[in-house]
Amino acid sequence: DAMVIQNPRYQVTQFGKPVTLSCSQTLNHNVMYWYQQKSSQAPKLLFHYYDKDFNNEADTPDNFQSRRPNTSFCFLDIRSPGLGDAAMYLCATSRGDRATNEKLFFGSGTQLSVL
Amino acid sequence: AQSVAQPEDQVNVAEGNPLTVKCTYSVSGNPYLFWYVQYPNRGLQFLLKYITGDNLVKGSYGFEAEFNKSQTSFHLKKPSALVSDSALYFCAVREGGSGGGADGLTFGKGTHLIIQP
Repeated sequence: DAMVIQNPRYQVTQFGKPVTLSCSQTLNHNVMYWYQQKSSQAPKLLFHYYDKDFNNEADTPDNFQSRRPNTSFCFLDIRSPGLGDAAMYLCATSRGDRATNEKLFFGSGTQLSVL
Repeated sequence: AQSVAQPEDQVNVAEGNPLTVKCTYSVSGNPYLFWYVQYPNRGLQFLLKYITGDNLVKGSYGFEAEFNKSQTSFHLKKPSALVSDSALYFCAVREGGSGGGADGLTFGKGTHLIIQP
């Protein structure tokens, strides 16, 4: 019963070729997050949506964009992938009821390779 | 700014022995602390959280964690390790009252826990 679903599991793209990663959720959560996880590093928050409100982290490169067409889906667009963008990309959700003790629900991630 | 440190890249424990995975944190205000586990080819799964109250928090799969405010630590523990506990463990923090529940968590870099039969 997957609740946060990420497709594809593995994605290979070419240097400079735009790529889109997908995330969907069946939890009806208000908030959707995108994290970047490089090997042996902590997951790093890129941005999140609270409903339709987009919240970008200050140090997220402009090369990374996101779209949330409806409650269930959220996309991560990398406009011109570089070799340094190769990483695991994790999507997560939360109810977002302003309680700071909420846990996040994660998808299985998409492993992006850049050739 | 908030941060999390997990000083050990890897922890090796024999099956049946107690285990501890260390975590220290830094926040300006009150901390909300979490542990997540990541199995190979899987997303992060929630284990337990500390918000307020009892310093010893119990979570999934027999894990517990002890909040120590003076040492700013939140170490993960289990009395008797299983081989199936082998995974990557992440400590995370969110500052209480800072912007509400939509703010993401700040994670440590993770600790590989290896339980030897």
